[in-house]
Amino acid sequence: QSVLTQPPSLSAAPGQRVTISCSGSNSNIGENYVSWYQQAPGAAPKLLIYDNDKRSSGIPDRFSASRSRTAASLGITGLQTGDEADYYCGTWDSRLGGWVFGGGTKLTVL
Amino acid sequence: QVQLQESGPGLVKPSQSLSLTCTVSGGSIAGGLFFWDWVRQPAGKGLEWIGHIYSSGSTNYNPSLRSRVTISSDTSKNQFSLEMKSVTAADTAVYYCARYQGRRGFDYWGQGSPVTVSS
Repeated sequence: QSVLTQPPSLSAAPGQRVTISCSGSNSNIGENYVSWYQQAPGAAPKLLIYDNDKRSSGIPDRFSASRSRTAASLGITGLQTGDEADYYCGTWDSRLGGWVFGGGTKLTVL
Repeated sequence: QVQLQESGPGLVKPSQSLSLTCTVSGGSIAGGLFFWDWVRQPAGKGLEWIGHIYSSGSTNYNPSLRSRVTISSDTSKNQFSLEMKSVTAADTAVYYCARYQGRRGFDYWGQGSPVTVSS
């Protein structure tokens, strides 16, 4: 059971928009910076978003993110087949004293 | 460009210790405001943070693994290492090393080192 809750899977058609949610608590998302990672099959995770809403170098503006109180979300517009991957949110948890990841969301682009 | 590369045995016997090393190139582990981390991922499952070592040498561990894990560094070789004691099949996973930069997240990752715990 992950400290951060993400939907296990989402699917959408090419060209559409999808939003991946990440729900936490006051001790993690509520007071620490959130980052998002994309993991293609068989590959290492890749930083997409850091500092709640800033795109990492080379990440297209189709990817955006936000944080509000104890929840965060990642939005992807103009979906492409290459966006099929697992997506993870993560942040520091002040109560646990360690980094926590969401359980991951498998995105399928139909 | 910072690069990280994990190395170590791919097979460990139950109850023994798992040891992995991450070699960093393109940047010094002794300088800057960076943490050097280990993250693992069992097959078909999510990411689990194991712990990190700061450039100063201080460490922090996942509370659920703290009793079995030690992360150390060798600045002369620009490497940091993971030792996990008393492993079981539940420790079978791909182990990643990564650089953590606080609010900037995990910005560089190794390719991952698969470890199987089996007799």
